[in-house]
Amino acid sequence: GAGVSQSPSNKVTEKGKDVELRCDPISGHTALYWYRQRLGQGLEFLIYFQGNSAPDKSGLPSDRFSAERTGESVSTLTIQRTQQEDSAVYLCASSLGPGQVTSYEQYFGPGTRLTVT
Amino acid sequence: GQNIDQPTEMTATEGAIVQINCTYQTSGFNGLFWYQQHAGEAPTFLSYNVLDGLEEKGRFSSFLSRSKGYSYLLLKELQMKDSASYLCAVRDAYSGAGSYQLTFGKGTKLSVIP
Repeated sequence: GAGVSQSPSNKVTEKGKDVELRCDPISGHTALYWYRQRLGQGLEFLIYFQGNSAPDKSGLPSDRFSAERTGESVSTLTIQRTQQEDSAVYLCASSLGPGQVTSYEQYFGPGTRLTVT
Repeated sequence: GQNIDQPTEMTATEGAIVQINCTYQTSGFNGLFWYQQHAGEAPTFLSYNVLDGLEEKGRFSSFLSRSKGYSYLLLKELQMKDSASYLCAVRDAYSGAGSYQLTFGKGTKLSVIP
């Protein structure tokens, strides 16, 4: 079956521009996570969505970062006024919702490699 | 907060056994995960330990000691395709209800040589 998909796979943008990254989770997965992976660093949690509940935004590094999710489907991560330190691979993951036996298992997408010049 | 340490790189021979260690210091703990990530690809789930002891799954096993803040991933009968980065991650006890937000270590790059 289809896995988590992300687009674009690569994005090069100029400092100061806004970018929008997209994630399509696995159908039926109510939980969705965004992570950032900088070169040589571990994955950093950014934001968590579960169903129609208010998202957990505790990992967003600044107010330039925002994310939305429509119901239990597509999510978009928006970075405004990009800076060079935003250069990283942005990974999306989805999983079954709380209470499901394997809700702990996150399925990752291939990521979007963002380069800010 | 969380601090997770694992070796940066390891090399092992095809057919051998390798153990990748992970230590963590956390303000709360609610489970430890191992993920495999091939270069340029998405991480894939390997194991989840929430109680002390060894969990075996085919050639891969994962061990947890909560009192020592320590885990290891054991890979047996190494194959060339096992060359990848292995990511240790911890679930914070203070994650929101139902959330499995994870804090990841920097990963251990394993190279399997003939």
